[in-house]
Amino acid sequence: GPKVLQIPSHQIIDMGQMVTLNCDPVSNHLYFYWYKQILGQQMEFLVNFYNGKVMEKSKLFKDQFSVERPDGSYFTLKIQPTALEDSAVYFCASSLAQNSDYTFGSGTRLLVI
Amino acid sequence: QQQVRQSPQSLTVWEGETAILNCSYENSAFDYFPWYQQFPGEGPALLISILSVSDKKEDGRFTIFFNKREKKLSLHIADSQPGDSATYFCAATDSGYNKLTFGKGTVLLVSP
Repeated sequence: GPKVLQIPSHQIIDMGQMVTLNCDPVSNHLYFYWYKQILGQQMEFLVNFYNGKVMEKSKLFKDQFSVERPDGSYFTLKIQPTALEDSAVYFCASSLAQNSDYTFGSGTRLLVI
Repeated sequence: QQQVRQSPQSLTVWEGETAILNCSYENSAFDYFPWYQQFPGEGPALLISILSVSDKKEDGRFTIFFNKREKKLSLHIADSQPGDSATYFCAATDSGYNKLTFGKGTVLLVSP
């Protein structure tokens, strides 16, 4: 079936640097999401995005986080600056409509050192 | 406070047996419960889901049983196969469907 692609699959970055996680959603999907999973914990909602705007964000979505989808290309999550506690797997998802099921990507494993 | 709880944390069954994965939730506003299957190195994939107006949903070998009064649900995997070995996540959302709340998952191993 249709897939969500996440690039890169792994990223190691020095604390304090900026990182951008890229997501290529399913082509006709309109709603986009980021989830964070720390090892051994549940996936937790970060943010959702529709029509060029953040609709809702959780308390995990710190001021250092931002999302955008310029010109209908990649849906990105930027962290600037990174902190050690940002180390996690970040999953992108997309859905056709607000009440449609999600398609998840395979995740980006981010390690901040 | 964990809003969606799953048990057991891990489960081993023999091929052909029925695996039973449990889930409970706190928020009465939750009314849609998808279950996701995740293989190592991959993202979660929707397996089966249920709305709170139903008490049972079947799809092939997979069945969800739902008890709204007790805020509990369970995923039954009949005739388990080694290829079913994966992590299973119970998730929940309310009618706004803006976000999913996940449990920590159950790691299922089906031994041949």
